[in-house]
Amino acid sequence: RKEVEQDPGPFNVPEGATVAFNCTYSNSASQSFFWYRQDCRKEPKLLMSVYSSGNEDGRFTAQLNRASQYISLLIRDSKLSDSATYLCVVNGRWGGGADGLTFGKGTHLIIQP
Amino acid sequence: NAGVTQTPKFQVLKTGQSMTLQCAQDMNHEYMSWYRQDPGMGLRLIHYSVGAGITDQGEVPNGYNVSRSTTEDFPLRLLSAAPSQTSVYFCASSTHRQGLLSYNEQFFGPGTRLTVL
Repeated sequence: RKEVEQDPGPFNVPEGATVAFNCTYSNSASQSFFWYRQDCRKEPKLLMSVYSSGNEDGRFTAQLNRASQYISLLIRDSKLSDSATYLCVVNGRWGGGADGLTFGKGTHLIIQP
Repeated sequence: NAGVTQTPKFQVLKTGQSMTLQCAQDMNHEYMSWYRQDPGMGLRLIHYSVGAGITDQGEVPNGYNVSRSTTEDFPLRLLSAAPSQTSVYFCASSTHRQGLLSYNEQFFGPGTRLTVL
């Protein structure tokens, strides 16, 4: 079974601070990596894809380290609206050969005023 | 576009009852999938489909059936509900590149909260 591991938190961070999460994955053959955001009692929504060379979208930066099999998410100048659960998502194959996306359990972030 | 819609939003069943959770998308996406989300477990894939007439099992398929007769619809059937199936169910859709282990953005519906007594 493919595993995606995240620190569940919660991370309590003051507004304006920088916060970083890591996520480790067990399948060295995985090729698709994402960070999703999920607000309380809502559906997950894509925050950003993670590319091999690393990528940035405004205050958010994602990195992929294939050798160590982890991806990271950095949030700069955090806002109150960044409070949410952040899901690490990786593709992989199940035991029977079917391919699918594996979601981490999520890291809960609380931005405090 | 409505995106991905799910009905009902809430449902309470008794053990042994059957029901169908509805999912529809209007984005002409080939790939559709069903997940369940339980506290402390994250989202787990139940079944998925890469196109009309094609379905396959995910991580936790037991107790659920699916069919994909059209591109738009992907219903999930609970055959005989059990308390262990109490969960939040999300349907998702995306474009999908055939032949590659490559996934695009998953668009999720708002979820169905199911309680089995």
